[in-house]
Amino acid sequence: QVQLQQSGPGLVKPSQTLSLTCAISGDSLSSNSAVWNWIRQSPSRGLEWLGRTYYRSKWCNDYAVSVKSRITINPDTSKNQFSLQLNSVTPEDTAVYYCARARRAPVGGGMDVWGQGTTVTVSS
Amino acid sequence: DIVMTQSPDSLAVSLGERATINCKSSQSVLYSSNNKNYLAWYQQKPGQPPKLLIYWASSRESGVPDRFSGSGSGTDFTLTISSLQAEDVAVYYCQQYYGVPHTFGQGTKLEIK
Repeated sequence: QVQLQQSGPGLVKPSQTLSLTCAISGDSLSSNSAVWNWIRQSPSRGLEWLGRTYYRSKWCNDYAVSVKSRITINPDTSKNQFSLQLNSVTPEDTAVYYCARARRAPVGGGMDVWGQGTTVTVSS
Repeated sequence: DIVMTQSPDSLAVSLGERATINCKSSQSVLYSSNNKNYLAWYQQKPGQPPKLLIYWASSRESGVPDRFSGSGSGTDFTLTISSLQAEDVAVYYCQQYYGVPHTFGQGTKLEIK
């Protein structure tokens, strides 16, 4: 059974960096049939896909344009986990953050495994 | 970006009755090389992450009751709950994974009438 366990602070000061980690159990970060995502949810923005990392002979990343200048998603194969860093946060970055596994065709589609969510508040 | 628009925003249905939620994408999410629609449906209950119900527009995820079904192709999709149960009260989202960013609809809140 695949599980994702999120960790990281729930309170970040404005202009600082939001850092979260998603630890994977039951699957490999380097799997060719999976893609590892970060998504956030807020009342004002709804569900917002932030970015992803995946391995296809090399590590690849894609990011949403809305956060592209501020976001980094890093894989850590030694710990079988991946992380989210979002720089220069503002109160608009206050949200519940989720990590999630997406399956590639032909194995499947959609995000079938989600972390428990981390409520992050940006406030001084 | 592909914009996903759901209708209605909220829906009240009697127990045992059919519930239908629509999702429209601003461009086709049908990938011609494999003839698959890159469209998923999720159910979210308060305090929980979204749960995958349907992928490839009509494939039911393992463990999802067969009263949930998905249909449609190209730009127009439907999630149907054939006989509403009390535990189906939730917010439902569609999502396209055809293009980056993988965008979600705004959600449809389903309640019991």
